Amino acid sequence: AQSVTQPDIHITVSEGASLELRCNYSYGATPYLFWYVQSPGQGLQLLLKYFSGDTLVQGIKGFEAEFKRSQSSFNLRKPSVHWSDAAEYFCAVVGSGAGSYQLTFGKGTKLSVIP
Amino acid sequence: NAGVTQTPKFQVLKTGQSMTLQCAQDMNHNSMYWYRQDPGMGLRLIYYSASEGTTDKGEVPNGYNVSRLNKREFSLRLESAAPSQTSVYFCASSEAGVLQGKGLGQAPLHFGNGTRLTVT
Repeated sequence: AQSVTQPDIHITVSEGASLELRCNYSYGATPYLFWYVQSPGQGLQLLLKYFSGDTLVQGIKGFEAEFKRSQSSFNLRKPSVHWSDAAEYFCAVVGSGAGSYQLTFGKGTKLSVIP
Repeated sequence: NAGVTQTPKFQVLKTGQSMTLQCAQDMNHNSMYWYRQDPGMGLRLIYYSASEGTTDKGEVPNGYNVSRLNKREFSLRLESAAPSQTSVYFCASSEAGVLQGKGLGQAPLHFGNGTRLTVT
């Protein structure tokens, strides 16, 4: 069965510092991968997705993620964090085959930003 | 453009009471989903509807029922609420479908803002 691990439950960074949130997945074939962000009291919003092609994908709000098949990872990065980036971030995986439907979410990483 | 609208935003129930959570989307999406979010658990799929007229169980369907009323609306019903159903419930929709070339779960999800349910 597919699974997603986000090793860091809570990360605190200073405003302006760089950020990397880790995501490791387990899936037997080529996955589709997503990062979602959840601001307090809100639903989740898609940051970026990887389906195929270039392994470095760009998303909204200046985020990017790199798919590394050899490491089964899809880490999220941002070169300079803004206070408004404080939120919870979820990585998710689903199979790329026809009919795949079981989107599996990680348990999330909460990001705090120090002014 | 409203996107996905959920009502109510908050609800408190006593054990054994019933209620229906409403969800509507205005993006003409084929697929709709109900998730629950619990601290430290991420999101877990309760039920989904691949298209109007169809519904299927997800990971944690026990204690819930759903109705896909039409293409826009997908409701979640708790027939006899239990404290274990205290959670935040999210409705989502996506354009997944055969014609779109995306299997369920493969098209990005659009989420509502959630319903916070407490069962005492």
